[in-house]
Amino acid sequence: GQNIDQPTEMTATEGAIVQINCTYQTSGFNGLFWYQQHAGEAPTFLSYNVLDGLEEKGRFSSFLSRSKGYSYLLLKELQMKDSASYLCAAVDSNYQLIWGAGTKLIIKP
Amino acid sequence: DTGVSQDPRHKITKRGQNVTFRCDPISEHNRLYWYRQTLGQGPEFLTYFQNEAQLEKSRLLSDRFSAERPKGSFSTLEIQRTEQGDSAMYLCASSPPRDYTGELFFGEGSRLTVL
Repeated sequence: GQNIDQPTEMTATEGAIVQINCTYQTSGFNGLFWYQQHAGEAPTFLSYNVLDGLEEKGRFSSFLSRSKGYSYLLLKELQMKDSASYLCAAVDSNYQLIWGAGTKLIIKP
Repeated sequence: DTGVSQDPRHKITKRGQNVTFRCDPISEHNRLYWYRQTLGQGPEFLTYFQNEAQLEKSRLLSDRFSAERPKGSFSTLEIQRTEQGDSAMYLCASSPPRDYTGELFFGEGSRLTVL
């Protein structure tokens, strides 16, 4: 079966660094997305990885290990506006997205 | 380009009524998806169109749900005889042709409350 696992909730302090992990099992693999979703809003694209390694984009970085079925999203210099849910989604052999349940990130001052 | 738009943004209805949601994708996007999302969960796939053809439909979609995309542009999602369990956010997303990454561009969603 196809499955995405990520923590339900995480708490971090403003200005700190947080890493959100995601493990996946899919039939075929054509990359992994991270989306951000603020409460009551639609998901918005953060990153896409298809090759092993780290992709850095400003305060956000995403890492992929295909052999381990593992990815993480790293958020640096946390700001209060980063409080949101972070969704991990793997692309299967049919180019369909398999979604995790999301990790709710709470930022405290 | 105004992005993906959905209408209505909010709908409150009584159990047993029919509701219809509309989605207008980004104009050059030929692929269109409908998802359902409940609180604390990721998007749940409902159905997928490539142009006007409905290529995939989730087994979770009961016969009360139907979606159309008659001219390959906008799409409608209809729920007949609504139940309280249908209360959710209904998300529409589109993606362009020849995009093999699968990135989706989401609309703001239509929130349904069934009383």
